[in-house]
Amino acid sequence: KAGVTQTPRYLIKTRGQQVTLSCSPISGHRSVSWYQQTPGQGLQFLFEYFSETQRNKGNFPGRFSGRQFSNSRSEMNVSTLELGDSALYLCASSRSINTGELFFGEGSRLTVL
Amino acid sequence: QQQVKQSPQSLIVQKGGISIINCAYENTAFDYFPWYQQFPGKGPALLIAIRPDVSEKKEGRFTISFNKSAKQFSLHIMDSQPGDSATYFCAASKGGTQGGSEKLVFGKGTKLTVNP
Repeated sequence: KAGVTQTPRYLIKTRGQQVTLSCSPISGHRSVSWYQQTPGQGLQFLFEYFSETQRNKGNFPGRFSGRQFSNSRSEMNVSTLELGDSALYLCASSRSINTGELFFGEGSRLTVL
Repeated sequence: QQQVKQSPQSLIVQKGGISIINCAYENTAFDYFPWYQQFPGKGPALLIAIRPDVSEKKEGRFTISFNKSAKQFSLHIMDSQPGDSATYFCAASKGGTQGGSEKLVFGKGTKLTVNP
């Protein structure tokens, strides 16, 4: 059974640009969550999608957005990039919402110059 | 406000020793407490989890101890091995019906190094 797949794995952007990250969940998993991981702040919850609807949202500015498609694949977008957005963005899937049993991908490492 | 506080930040133990990582939480509504293990270049992976109706859960060399009154829980790794060297995150979440839950809140992690 394939795990959670995230693309791209690495990317470099400059301030002011925008970026779109993609996540394919484990087959049969309908919930996708996104986390930002940085050395200083650790793992911080961005948002969760289930059945194409955002169900939970963390404390991030509106520049961070996401969506989920009918096949459960998800994308997140960060607009007007700032230096502080440099981080590892992790996608996690789960069979349903409101479960702590998350299956993480290997992440997309974003560097903002 | 950090809802889950984890310590120590880093830990070095000798092979065969016991590794102990502690976490404290604030929200008494939390009802699920997992531990995740993350190797460099990989995403976190669920290691073991506990619910507050039990005080201890053991899976192989890994044990979670839970103290509901103190709002604390800990991970013990017995007979620590170099392959256990990784970053460990405790977490907590509150279940519930749609719209009434809180997603996993993670501690800041403990980097464990097991020397051969």
